[in-house]
Amino acid sequence: EAQVTQNPRYLITVTGKKLTVTCSQNMNHEYMSWYRQDPGLGLRQIYYSMNVEVTDKGDVPEGYKVSRKEKRNFPLILESPSPNQTSLYFCASTNPGGENFFGQGTRLTVV
Amino acid sequence: AQSVTQLDSHVSVSEGTPVLLRCNYSSSYSPSLFWYVQHPNKGLQLLLKYTSAATLVKGINGFEAEFKKSETSFHLTKPSAHMSDAAEYFCVVRNTGGFKTIFGAGTRLFVKA
Repeated sequence: EAQVTQNPRYLITVTGKKLTVTCSQNMNHEYMSWYRQDPGLGLRQIYYSMNVEVTDKGDVPEGYKVSRKEKRNFPLILESPSPNQTSLYFCASTNPGGENFFGQGTRLTVV
Repeated sequence: AQSVTQLDSHVSVSEGTPVLLRCNYSSSYSPSLFWYVQHPNKGLQLLLKYTSAATLVKGINGFEAEFKKSETSFHLTKPSAHMSDAAEYFCVVRNTGGFKTIFGAGTRLFVKA
C-alpha cells in the first residue's frame, strides 16, 4: 500500500530540547515536503526536497532543518524548539503530476 | 508570485442543498490547482486537480471544480450536500513544473440535517 509514515503522532517537549520528526514514503517519489498547520492559516510549507541531497526553503523555514540522505526519508529537525513551534505538522510526498500524499500528522507541543 | 485566497472561512448548508466553496488564485505561470479535504483529526485527501486539460474537473464524492482563467478562480461545487461532507477544504496552487506549493487558509463546511 502506498503510504507516507510520520513518527511520532504526538509529542510534548520542553523549550530547547532538540527533536526529530521522521517521515518515510514507499512510492519512490523524488519530491517531498514538510508543512505546518495552524488555525486560520492553512498549511504553510516549511521545507521541500526535489531529490536526494537537494533541499530548499519554503515559506516558514526559520527554526527548522531538514536532510535528505535517502530518497524515501525526509526528517524534520528542530534544533532548539520554542513554544511558537507548537503546531500540527504534515509530511507530504508528491508524484510527478503534483498530487500530494500526506502523512497522518504529528501534533507537537512545546512548553 | 503565487497566492491563494479562499473567500469564506466557513460555509453552512443544509443536507441536500448545493455546496459552493470559493477560491481565487494568483500565479505568474500556468498553475496546477488542487482541492484537498481534511476530516476532523484526519490527514488530507485529494478531491480533484486541474492541470491544463479540461476546465471542468470532476473529483471524488460528487465534487467538481471549474477553472476560469479570466476570473482567476477555481471554485468547488457539489449539487447536493451530504452529512459526511462536513470537513475543512483547502484550495492549493502549484506552478506547473515548480516546487513551491501554496495552500489557502481553508474553508470549514458545516452540513445541517
